[in-house]
Amino acid sequence: QVRLVQSGADVKEPGASVKLSCKASGYTFANHYIHWMRQAPGQGLEWVGVINPGGDYTNYAKNFQGRVTMTRDTSTNTVYMELSSLTSDDTAIFYCARGGIDLAAPCDYWGQGTLVTVSS
Amino acid sequence: DIVMTQSPDSLAVSLGERATINCKSSQNVLYTSNNKDYLAWFQQKPGQSPRLLISWASIRESGVPDRFTGSGSGTDFTLTINSLLAEDVAVYYCLQYYSFPHTFGQGTKLEIK
Repeated sequence: QVRLVQSGADVKEPGASVKLSCKASGYTFANHYIHWMRQAPGQGLEWVGVINPGGDYTNYAKNFQGRVTMTRDTSTNTVYMELSSLTSDDTAIFYCARGGIDLAAPCDYWGQGTLVTVSS
Repeated sequence: DIVMTQSPDSLAVSLGERATINCKSSQNVLYTSNNKDYLAWFQQKPGQSPRLLISWASIRESGVPDRFTGSGSGTDFTLTINSLLAEDVAVYYCLQYYSFPHTFGQGTKLEIK
């Protein structure tokens, strides 16, 4: 079955960077886009960005441009999201989710989420 | 950016009754070349990851009970939950994937009356 397993919770100081991982299994990794979303405590969902199957196309939300980088390793079926210049506003659960074969498709399988806490 | 606005923000419905959640997009999300609305609905239960219920405005995902129905086109959409069960308590989100950035509605919290 399709599974997306994310890395564990992390605590960072303001100004630091965090790199999250999302390991996929149960489907052909190279065929699907992967999206990332952020959800602050008690708040709604916010789209962060997307990476294509080949890893050579990304699209990031304006709020994150300049400090987010998404990459993928097809040898381990893993996608990474690095977020720099962390602030307290980045304290949130980050989800990775499988997109479609085409760019315009909803996410049908989600990871369990990674809690990132930004605190001094 | 396309702004998605859900109504109401919260809703309390009796068991066995119908719940209706609305979602309005600031721009058309109907792609005329294929006549598809790029609109999805998600359910998020407390402490869980979101679950895709409906894609293309009205296509129920595999395993989703037929009590859940999506309707609408263009800029106005509705998620209807018939015969409400206790397990339907959750926050529901709409999402447009017509253009980047993909954008979610603010969420509607559904509770039992």
